[in-house]
Amino acid sequence: DSGVTQTPKHLITATGQRVTLRCSPRSGDLSVYWYQQSLDQGLQFLIQYYNGEERAKGNILERFSAQQFPDLHSELNLSSLELGDSALYFCASSDRSGQGENEQFFGPGTRLTVL
Amino acid sequence: DAKTTQPPSMDCAEGRAANLPCNHSTISGNEYVYWYRQIHSQGPQYIIHGLKNNETNEMASLIITEDRKSSTLILPHATLRDTAVYYCIVRVAINTDKLIFGTGTRLQVFP
Repeated sequence: DSGVTQTPKHLITATGQRVTLRCSPRSGDLSVYWYQQSLDQGLQFLIQYYNGEERAKGNILERFSAQQFPDLHSELNLSSLELGDSALYFCASSDRSGQGENEQFFGPGTRLTVL
Repeated sequence: DAKTTQPPSMDCAEGRAANLPCNHSTISGNEYVYWYRQIHSQGPQYIIHGLKNNETNEMASLIITEDRKSSTLILPHATLRDTAVYYCIVRVAINTDKLIFGTGTRLQVFP
């Protein structure tokens, strides 16, 4: 158990819908990262937040957005869903902002299926 | 971040050492080598990282060549539970610490 929790575990929805994935980092970790893992693209970095502020952006679509709240939990919002958005979405946390070495601890993931 | 090259798959007998190689010939002086693994569809798990010196922890050892162009992750006594995809990642530790995953090595440990 990494200490990172993600809900829901599974999500099935239809094209065009909007969903919210939730992540609670390990106690004391200020950084939250979101990754997407699909069959054809592998594990891809989406976005990082540090202490409530966006720190880095990867290949995140404009239809996707995220935020980190004062209690440090994070939500990833996916809208206008397409079949290709079906994937595993992982959240990770670390206690660093990016300077120096750090380990990222990953949650169990949310499996999103878009029908 | 420097690109890494790993063999797509490897086999190892249970109880034997698993040696997973990684090439990172374009690595620069301030880039660390990280290893993560992913068991089936679980979240990736941090294993070990290093800069220049060899490193060891309770899970594995990391051997980095003197020129830092390649490294080897060693699982000293592989078990069936070590069957996973192993990712070697090279990362510069400035401003952002996003991880760029390649395709990794699928390690199959057999009885």
